[in-house]
Amino acid sequence: DGGITQSPKYLFRKEGQNVTLSCEQNLNHDAMYWYRQDPGQGLRLIYYSQIVNDFQKGDIAEGYSVSREKKESFPLTVTSAQKNPTAFYLCASSIDTTVNYGYTFGSGTRLTVV
Amino acid sequence: AQSVTQPDIHITVSEGASLELRCNYSYGATPYLFWYVQSPGQGLQLLLKYFSGDTLVQGIKGFEAEFKRSQSSFNLRKPSVHWSDAAEYFCAVGTSNFGNEKLTFGTGTRLTIIP
Repeated sequence: DGGITQSPKYLFRKEGQNVTLSCEQNLNHDAMYWYRQDPGQGLRLIYYSQIVNDFQKGDIAEGYSVSREKKESFPLTVTSAQKNPTAFYLCASSIDTTVNYGYTFGSGTRLTVV
Repeated sequence: AQSVTQPDIHITVSEGASLELRCNYSYGATPYLFWYVQSPGQGLQLLLKYFSGDTLVQGIKGFEAEFKRSQSSFNLRKPSVHWSDAAEYFCAVGTSNFGNEKLTFGTGTRLTIIP
């Protein structure tokens, strides 16, 4: 079945370390997105990519970095510059660069700083 | 700026009772509107969407939503809830900024079902 795979499901990081969250899709979708979810704040957009080798900052990009070297993959790196990285991270994709079809979401990665 | 407001943070409903979750949006053009559901520790699943045409849209799991332009609302309804409907529900509006289209989400409404 086609879908979005996020790994790992749980991730623990020591302060000062960078960590990379994986997001892979086999839907042949053009666009991919990373959201951060915190209780009571809904989903906030970190980065998005509408085409391979191109990406744009979302509303809360500071302390994060991404790459889009392949259509299927959109990894997110949480750097040591991110002051409060503990959160639930969701990856999503859409068929094209419009919102006509909505987004398909992965099952998320919960990152905890210890 | 475009925005979505879900006024109710938490709603408790008895099993078998009807449900209405509120969503208000702010957007200058005709909006693309969505409702998603999220079970604990999981991703979001699309319930239904509205682009144009009939203002009452049907979705999965027995949900429906009505677009009311005059009230800038897109409320989600279900005539009789089941215990499995307990989850968090997000309303979203599709927005366009210089050709970059993306979804803006509300802060969510957590639904609790009591026996």
